[in-house]
Amino acid sequence: GQQVMQIPQYQHVQEGEDFTTYCNSSTTLSNIQWYKQRPGGHPVFLIQLVKSGEVKKQKRLTFQFGEAKKNSSLHITATQTTDVGTYFCAGLGTNAGKSTFGDGTTLTVKP
Amino acid sequence: DTEVTQTPKHLVMGMTNKKSLKCEQHMGHRAMYWYKQKAKKPPELMFVYSYEKLSINESVPSRFSPECPNSSLLNLHLHALQPEDSALYLCASSQAAEHEQYFGPGTRLTVT
Repeated sequence: GQQVMQIPQYQHVQEGEDFTTYCNSSTTLSNIQWYKQRPGGHPVFLIQLVKSGEVKKQKRLTFQFGEAKKNSSLHITATQTTDVGTYFCAGLGTNAGKSTFGDGTTLTVKP
Repeated sequence: DTEVTQTPKHLVMGMTNKKSLKCEQHMGHRAMYWYKQKAKKPPELMFVYSYEKLSINESVPSRFSPECPNSSLLNLHLHALQPEDSALYLCASSQAAEHEQYFGPGTRLTVT
């Protein structure tokens, strides 16, 4: 079945440093979604990427979808303490009918 | 209104009890989901309903029984659970299966 791998598992940064998490799928994706889950909270939708090579920005967050539609990345510029949480990608396989979540990257930010 | 509500927030039940988790959305979404999430793990898909019909069952044990009474409501009936079933149970909804999902706050379930 479809597998979605996410690295790194954990990332500890100093406030102001940049952060990147990577997501790789074993199969071509129809779309990829990114979610953020704060400690003690529930996943919150951030963005969906659909097109090959697509790049989307949300303030300090930049999301990319690979040309082959098998990988994606989330980059945060100048992290803040409010960025703390676990970031999940979820890939929708072309024939899967459901999205598969990556294992997540947990970000901690030291003030 | 982009809110998905879930009740109860917390539930403690014995292995012989029967209980139900409830989920509600008023966004007109036609797909609804149940997920199980253990600590430090991603959400694990259990069931998907599309247009009030069960479309995906991820080989979930029969002690978990989903129900979709109407397009706004989703229930999860629990019976004879095991301690390893203790987890956060998340409900989500989306416009359609390929669209972004909106999660509820979850029910923290403890089986004793």
